Amino acid sequence: DTGVSQDPRHKITKRGQNVTFRCDPISEHNRLYWYRQTLGQGPEFLTYFQNEAQLEKSRLLSDRFSAERPKGSFSTLEIQRTEQGDSAMYLCASSLDLAATNTGELFFGEGSRLTVL
Amino acid sequence: LAKTTQPISMDSYEGQEVNITCSHNNIATNDYITWYQQFPSQGPRFIIQGYKTKVTNEVASLFIPADRKSSTLSLPRVSLSDTAVYYCLVDAPQDSSASKIIFGSGTRLSIRP
Repeated sequence: DTGVSQDPRHKITKRGQNVTFRCDPISEHNRLYWYRQTLGQGPEFLTYFQNEAQLEKSRLLSDRFSAERPKGSFSTLEIQRTEQGDSAMYLCASSLDLAATNTGELFFGEGSRLTVL
Repeated sequence: LAKTTQPISMDSYEGQEVNITCSHNNIATNDYITWYQQFPSQGPRFIIQGYKTKVTNEVASLFIPADRKSSTLSLPRVSLSDTAVYYCLVDAPQDSSASKIIFGSGTRLSIRP
């Protein structure tokens, strides 16, 4: 399977605990995005990487959230001191570099669903 | 601030043609119109993209009038498997500002037998 993969698919944690999600993008894709999606809403942009550089962060990304893409390949999203309001689906997407794509099509993974008790 | 407006939900029947209209009154010159489809517990999937007039692929058609302030996604002869949420986006694919890729709440399409 050469699509975007995310791990874990489901995570249940207690309030105050830290959680980390991993995303493996399509191998030739330089751009990587994290989105958050709650029930009945569309995906909300969190952050974006071009190779290993984090180029943009949404104001939704509080200080408890941190994302990395150390080698320009896989990425991790960590949430510290989780709150019940963090419960959501966390989606990762990747796309080709601007120069290599006409459409800017995003390829999404199946998401990591977080439940904070 | 939402850049697009689309119906919250639509219902149709198998075999019918479904048209979902999206309003984007403030579309910029460099913006394209892109539609994604999302099934439950899955990430969105790109369906089609256009700039003006009509675009057709194996899945859908996209109609864009001359003023580009709206667009219509057309799904021919829908089946039960087309039940999903459909998102209309406007963005500039060659723009390096990723936050312009904004998803609204989408249109929840339900297909009945």
